[in-house]
Amino acid sequence: RKEVEQDPGPFNVPEGATVAFNCTYSNSASQSFFWYRQDCRKEPKLLMSVYSSGNEDGRFTAQLNRASQYISLLIRDSKLSDSATYLCVVSLRTGNQFYFGTGTSLTVIP
Amino acid sequence: NAGVMQNPRHLVRRRGQEARLRCSPMKGHSHVYWYRQLPEEGLKFMVYLQKENIIDESGMPKERFSAEFPKEGPSILRIQQVVRGDSAAYFCASSTQSRDTEAFFGQGTRLTVV
Repeated sequence: RKEVEQDPGPFNVPEGATVAFNCTYSNSASQSFFWYRQDCRKEPKLLMSVYSSGNEDGRFTAQLNRASQYISLLIRDSKLSDSATYLCVVSLRTGNQFYFGTGTSLTVIP
Repeated sequence: NAGVMQNPRHLVRRRGQEARLRCSPMKGHSHVYWYRQLPEEGLKFMVYLQKENIIDESGMPKERFSAEFPKEGPSILRIQQVVRGDSAAYFCASSTQSRDTEAFFGQGTRLTVV
């Protein structure tokens, strides 16, 4: 079983739409959670960390449900520049191993 | 503070040659991770190293691939006797040893085997 599972998409949404990505993780010892963004042929970059209380950064909201071992990312008012692959990442309580999901592809259409 | 530096950015090798990929972590980072990304696919974990130690190499093929992170100098991912299937983007990331820290990525090395 994969450590982190994501729906690969693709998600094709019009500008201004709201879109949500989900991610599940298998190891209950997971401690830290992140969403990364990867543009085509570029390196992944941190979008936001995910905290137990949930957190918001502008149009982006991340939520964590430890009981269900589930992480989400909500993007409101989608922009063309949001088109990318979004990677769900978890790391364990012991050690610093990072586990990446395969990513969810988003295309925002004019 | 320079970010994670990988070189070369692009590497072309003929089948059977050796490829050496270098990664210098961010200053103050003692943990290095190597990932491989095939075209149109996700990141696949290869190996996790701390200075002079391999912590987890469960994602690394048993043959032809090796990695090191010496006390001095960059981390090296070495692929011997490359084959066409080794063509991919190889990303290195680094982090501190603190809990709750994120990983920072280099720009990757694109290996093409001809």
